[in-house]
Amino acid sequence: DGGITQSPKYLFRKEGQNVTLSCEQNLNHDAMYWYRQDPGQGLRLIYYSQIVNDFQKGDIAEGYSVSREKKESFPLTVTSAQKNPTAFYLCASSGFQETQYFGPGTRLLVL
Amino acid sequence: AQTVTQSQPEMSVQEAETVTLSCTYDTSESNYYLFWYKQPPSRQMILVIRQEAYKQQNATENRFSVNFQKAAKSFSLKISDSQLGDTAMYFCAFIHNNAGNMLTFGGGTRLMVKP
Repeated sequence: DGGITQSPKYLFRKEGQNVTLSCEQNLNHDAMYWYRQDPGQGLRLIYYSQIVNDFQKGDIAEGYSVSREKKESFPLTVTSAQKNPTAFYLCASSGFQETQYFGPGTRLLVL
Repeated sequence: AQTVTQSQPEMSVQEAETVTLSCTYDTSESNYYLFWYKQPPSRQMILVIRQEAYKQQNATENRFSVNFQKAAKSFSLKISDSQLGDTAMYFCAFIHNNAGNMLTFGGGTRLMVKP
């Protein structure tokens, strides 16, 4: 099946710990994105990548890092510098027609 | 900066009735795309409908249609014959070609379809 997968579905972070959220797509899309959603709110862009080995900061990049070593993969690391990481994280990808398609999301909780 | 505003935080509709969700946006660009996404309780974001700004004809997808008023910068979503499965958060979103494909989202409208 073609689509976007995110893992894990739920993730728990301890104080001072870095955690990594996985995002994989087999849609052959060039661009990939990470969004954060807080309860009752819309989505805010964290990072995006339009091509392998290149990525740009979005509106709320502080405390996060990404890599794009393969076209299919765009992992997001939530670092200890992110003081309020509890949120729902959505990954998306898009091709040349600009429509973004989303994965099922990862819920991050702080212990 | 581009902004997207959804003025209705919550709405409800009876099953089989029609409901319209409002969205306005602000941009100085002339070439852009508008979207409606649905987020059911599972929280997966699902594309409902898309509109290209250069097209005058309003987009339709089965029971979903839009009223795109470019001069007024308005992009409302009409859901006909509402079904219980339409219960969800609905987000209006905007993208323009010079923004690196970055979507700007509105704050969302929570729609409840009542039996």
